[in-house]
Amino acid sequence: QKEVEQNSGPLSVPEGAIASLNCTYSDRVSQSFFWYRQYSGKSPELIMSIYSNGDKEDGRFTAQLNKASQYVSLLIRDSQPSDSATYLCAVKDTGRRALTFGSGTRLQVQP
Amino acid sequence: GAGVSQSPSNKVTEKGKDVELRCDPISGHTALYWYRQSLGQGLEFLIYFQGNSAPDKSGLPSDRFSAERTGGSVSTLTIQRTQQEDSAVYLCASSPRPYMSGRALGTDTQYFGPGTRLTVL
Repeated sequence: QKEVEQNSGPLSVPEGAIASLNCTYSDRVSQSFFWYRQYSGKSPELIMSIYSNGDKEDGRFTAQLNKASQYVSLLIRDSQPSDSATYLCAVKDTGRRALTFGSGTRLQVQP
Repeated sequence: GAGVSQSPSNKVTEKGKDVELRCDPISGHTALYWYRQSLGQGLEFLIYFQGNSAPDKSGLPSDRFSAERTGGSVSTLTIQRTQQEDSAVYLCASSPRPYMSGRALGTDTQYFGPGTRLTVL
């Protein structure tokens, strides 16, 4: 059973629109949540981290966490073609040192 | 400053051969992780090192896989008797200090290297 679930996509949005990426996780004790962006053939790059319920904003990116629903999302406002990449959701709980990753959602921003 | 570096960037080997992959973490980072990523998949945890503590090997898929971290810095991942299913990108990450139980820290952020693409023929 997968512990972190993401829709593989591709999610296609027009330039300037809001892209909404979703992730669910199965372990209720999870405490740290991360969104990584991975361009094709490149290594993952941290976009956002979130630890508390609610929203966290950083520029065009907003992470949303709902621990009761075991749900974390990433909103990208004013999407740009350069945002086209695979977005990986990662979760960390107190019992493990490593991150558990979802398989990623591929985002395509159409010019 | 310099990021996480890995070598080689690409490795092609024949089935049954041994391979060594190297990771040089960010200077001062005490935690080091190895993951692998198969084509179109998420990252799969392999092993974790923290300082002089015993490594967490819970993610290693078989006893053909082993890793060392010398002097608390450079790490080598060794795969013996490689199989075709070992083909993947092997990613190393480091972080400033370990995740502290009960505390949500920004310093558990992991920084990834460029990876080694391993192809087993």
